[in-house]
Amino acid sequence: GAVVSQHPSWVICKSGTSVKIECRSLDFQATTMFWYRQFPKQSLMLMATSNEGSKATYEQGVEKDKFLINHASLTLSTLTVTSAHPEDSSFYICSAKTGQGNNEQFFGPGTRLTVL
Amino acid sequence: AQSVTQPDIHITVSEGASLELRCNYSYGATPYLFWYVQSPGQGLQLLLKYFSGDTLVQGIKGFEAEFKRSQSSFNLRKPSVHWSDAAEYFCAVYGYNKLIFGAGTRLAVHP
Repeated sequence: GAVVSQHPSWVICKSGTSVKIECRSLDFQATTMFWYRQFPKQSLMLMATSNEGSKATYEQGVEKDKFLINHASLTLSTLTVTSAHPEDSSFYICSAKTGQGNNEQFFGPGTRLTVL
Repeated sequence: AQSVTQPDIHITVSEGASLELRCNYSYGATPYLFWYVQSPGQGLQLLLKYFSGDTLVQGIKGFEAEFKRSQSSFNLRKPSVHWSDAAEYFCAVYGYNKLIFGAGTRLAVHP
């Protein structure tokens, strides 16, 4: 149980285009989903927290208009990187947690974005 | 704000040797603590977690961790390392509705 998937697992795009990454909780309802960014050989940095049906809460320094997050259902959150540039190339990981007692997050396998 | 420090960026051990990865946290209240492992190009797998109760926590793959409040530490241990344990290990603390990660420790295992 508690499986989170991401799609696509990797994507290459041209500079200036937009890319959408999906994060799904496959066997549970995720009241809250999180998006992280990880640069090579570095730790995960929280980008934003999204609760189903409401606007995402972005961390300081993360551009809301650049990284659009939608959490339209209890099993799906999407991250859209708008007008992507090479510096947006990174490994994006989502996680999800239920509304139940503990604070454990379940992580997706990640999406490797390369912007040419 | 909470923070996590993993003092060792890179550790190399021989297969069969014991392992201890250090983690220190900073958080004002009782912390929820986690250890995750990440293989190259992969997502994170939860090894173990501490919420309350027994301060020695058993996890998967033969790992354990001990919560020491007086030292603000949550070190990860394994008595005998296997070559497949080579990976990146992240300690994390949950607080204020966020999971904050340490910088990670890269483990290399010599045959």
